[in-house]
Amino acid sequence: KQEVTQIPAALSVPEGENLVLNCSFTDSAIYNLQWFRQDPGKGLTSLLLIQSSQREQTSGRLNASLDKSSGRSTLYIAASQPGDSATYLCAVDTGGFKTIFGAGTRLFVKA
Amino acid sequence: EPEVTQTPSHQVTQMGQEVILRCVPISNHLYFYWYRQILGQKVEFLVSFYNNEISEKSEIFDDQFSVERPDGSNFTLKIRSTKLEDSAMYFCASSEVSPLAGEDTQYFGPGTRLTVL
Repeated sequence: KQEVTQIPAALSVPEGENLVLNCSFTDSAIYNLQWFRQDPGKGLTSLLLIQSSQREQTSGRLNASLDKSSGRSTLYIAASQPGDSATYLCAVDTGGFKTIFGAGTRLFVKA
Repeated sequence: EPEVTQTPSHQVTQMGQEVILRCVPISNHLYFYWYRQILGQKVEFLVSFYNNEISEKSEIFDDQFSVERPDGSNFTLKIRSTKLEDSAMYFCASSEVSPLAGEDTQYFGPGTRLTVL
């Protein structure tokens, strides 16, 4: 059974700092891994999707990497801003039309 | 930019009542999903739907749940007899591409908060 774990559960950093969020999954047989952002009381916004054959994806200040063999992904946020404060969710697509989410990392960027 | 919409934003119901949560996926998308998130917990997969059939469902999606695409635009989740533990945020999502292609970015709606009293 696929399980997704995110570390840390919460993170507080000063504005401008670079940071790394971690995601691990137990079964390497995935079709893709997606990083989402969730603001309080709101829906999920897709940030990056990495297909199983890819190693990384970049969008602006965000870079996500995938090491399928070790069951790990990282989301790197450069030059963090207060507007980055949100919960970041990692989700893996098992290919069976089923997506499994981690519990998320709650990020707070202090101005 | 096209987006997934959900109605209502908040639904309050009495235990044992039936509720229908509505979603309008992005118009050219073919794959549809329902998820739920109990307050303070993980987002949990409920069901995926394609070509008017359920593709996959979780163990949560028991006989009290059903999904339907009644017309070309709406996608609904029905809970037949609500329980207290059904209180959660319910998210609808859609994607254009099959998950088997590996590039199926899912677009989520803002959610419906269901409160069962």
